[in-house]
Amino acid sequence: EAGVAQSPRYKIIEKRQSVAFWCNPISGHATLYWYQQILGQGPKLLIQFQNNGVVDDSQLPKDRFSAERLKGVDSTLKIQPAKLEDSAVYLCASSLELAGGNEQYFGPGTRLTVT
Amino acid sequence: DAKTTQPNSMESNEEEPVHLPCNHSTISGTDYIHWYRQLPSQGPEYVIHGLTSNVNNRMASLAIAEDRKSSTLILHRATLRDAAVYYCILNSGGSNYKLTFGKGTLLTVNP
Repeated sequence: EAGVAQSPRYKIIEKRQSVAFWCNPISGHATLYWYQQILGQGPKLLIQFQNNGVVDDSQLPKDRFSAERLKGVDSTLKIQPAKLEDSAVYLCASSLELAGGNEQYFGPGTRLTVT
Repeated sequence: DAKTTQPNSMESNEEEPVHLPCNHSTISGTDYIHWYRQLPSQGPEYVIHGLTSNVNNRMASLAIAEDRKSSTLILHRATLRDAAVYYCILNSGGSNYKLTFGKGTLLTVNP
């Protein structure tokens, strides 16, 4: 079974530029998550989708971050404009459905460096 | 969200069992106990989860206290590949089943 795919794996941009990350979840997984992991910290949930609807985006900085999940499958996360503090690994995860007993499967992440 | 408390770091020797503790004294009746681990430069990986009863899978065992206020992840024979940060996380429908990661426990395995 193919895992969660993310691209690009690495990205370096200057502050005030924009960037987009792409995620393809495991086939059949209804729930998709985007996390931000700053060096030395645990991942922080940015946004959670159930199919193509947003379940939780309470920690998404909406003035600069946006995310969408077209047709309930692939998802993109965009930052515009980027700030130095956005340097982090952005992780995508998916799970079969929204339930306490369901495990989340994580992709390899995209390492973003903002200079 | 109910919080968990874990030691910052633990050390083990290869091929010995490892017991990773987690305290969650404010756990509610609907909270699941999840364990994930994160190897260096990789995304987190699911290890095991449980609700009330002890659980076993191919990776580990989860021992849950009778009052559910603490749990222990047991790696039966540690290998060098088990060196990682281990996260103990509670989730429930009240929080949309989201995972809130803390700092976890950094496990070092000595050869």
